Amino acid sequence: KQEVTQIPAALSVPEGENLVLNCSFTDSAIYNLQWFRQDPGKGLTSLLLIQSSQREQTSGRLNASLDKSSGRSTLYIAASQPGDSATYLCAVQYNFNKFYFGSGTKLNVKP
Amino acid sequence: GAVVSQHPSWVICKSGTSVKIECRSLDFQATTMFWYRQFPKQSLMLMATSNEGSKATYEQGVEKDKFLINHASLTLSTLTVTSAHPEDSSFYICSASRGEVRNQPQHFGDGTRLSIL
Repeated sequence: KQEVTQIPAALSVPEGENLVLNCSFTDSAIYNLQWFRQDPGKGLTSLLLIQSSQREQTSGRLNASLDKSSGRSTLYIAASQPGDSATYLCAVQYNFNKFYFGSGTKLNVKP
Repeated sequence: GAVVSQHPSWVICKSGTSVKIECRSLDFQATTMFWYRQFPKQSLMLMATSNEGSKATYEQGVEKDKFLINHASLTLSTLTVTSAHPEDSSFYICSASRGEVRNQPQHFGDGTRLSIL
């Protein structure tokens, strides 16, 4: 059974800190892994997509890594800002229509 | 800007009513769209895969007669919650990708919050 776990469930940091969000998955035969941001009551915004053949992707202050063999991905946020406060979800795609989402990490960046 | 539009964003209706939710890809054609359900403080659960011109593929445990999906064009998929009851109250979100599902990020609509009284 494929499972996706995110740790921690919640995180509160002061503005300016660098932080790491973790995502682990039980089945390493993935197509890709995607990180999303979800604001309260809203849909999901795609942040980074990592193909199974890739090790990492970067976009601005965000860097996502993928280690398929160990079933792990991390999302690194540099110099966090209050506007980064949201819930961050990772999702793993196993085949054409099988997406599994983690339960998310709720991030609060304090000014 | 948004690439996937979902409408309506909020619905409140009486028990027994059928509710239709639309999901549109705004500037690309999507042969496949996905419908998810999210309960409060929980993650997304895939309900079904909507295929243009053919029947939707439902996940285990999702009633196909309860949640009717129609993907009549390359830019529009609809989810109809038939004879809705309070337990159907949830946040429904659709997604689509620009190209091959495997290689392109999923773009999500803003979701529809359904409240059944």
